[in-house]
Amino acid sequence: QITLKESGPTLVRPTQTLTLTCSISGFSLSTSGVGVGWIRQPPGKALEWLALIHWNDDKRYRPSLKSRLTITMDAFTNQVVLTMTNMDPVDTATYYCAHRLRDTSGWYHDAFHVWGQGTMVTVSS
Amino acid sequence: EIVMTQSPATLSVSPGERATLSCRATQSVSSNLAWYQHKPGQAPRLLIYGASTRATGIPARFSGSGSGTEFTLTISSLQSEDFAVYYCQQYSDWPRTFGQGTKVDIK
Repeated sequence: QITLKESGPTLVRPTQTLTLTCSISGFSLSTSGVGVGWIRQPPGKALEWLALIHWNDDKRYRPSLKSRLTITMDAFTNQVVLTMTNMDPVDTATYYCAHRLRDTSGWYHDAFHVWGQGTMVTVSS
Repeated sequence: EIVMTQSPATLSVSPGERATLSCRATQSVSSNLAWYQHKPGQAPRLLIYGASTRATGIPARFSGSGSGTEFTLTISSLQSEDFAVYYCQQYSDWPRTFGQGTKVDIK
């Protein structure tokens, strides 16, 4: 059974750096095709795709946030980490990590079929 | 980036009725489109991928259609548990992008 769980601070001060950890189980980050993404949802707003890291360490970012985001993975500790620098109140959101879909034929799609529970991050002084 | 536009923003439907949700892309995404259901306090739930393939465990009353730039999610007979916000997401190009959502509420 694939599970993901986000952890990190609930409150961050403006200009600080946010570090979120996604702890995974039920799959290996080093398996060909595997990918883990980060998505956020500000209160009352839509889902927003942030970043994705693949098993081969290929990394993709939302261009508007690319200068502030870093996604890394550690296949030994089964964790994916997202850092976001220079936090602002507009970054207040629930942050989710999610596993990209592997269909019954074995093909991977960048649709997310297993999500973590989400972690709410508030940016405030 | 590809912008996904969903319509309507809110859809009021009676239980047992059919709901039709639309999603439009600013450029072709082929069939690289997913639909999610999202309820307050829960993680989003994948319903459809590949524009028309139901994810594991998704009831047959959910169906997806379309390709290119125009897509539809149909819920054939709304159940009480289906009242939620629905998002489309393209995964044809980087960055992956979501629509702004359609809220399906009780009429």
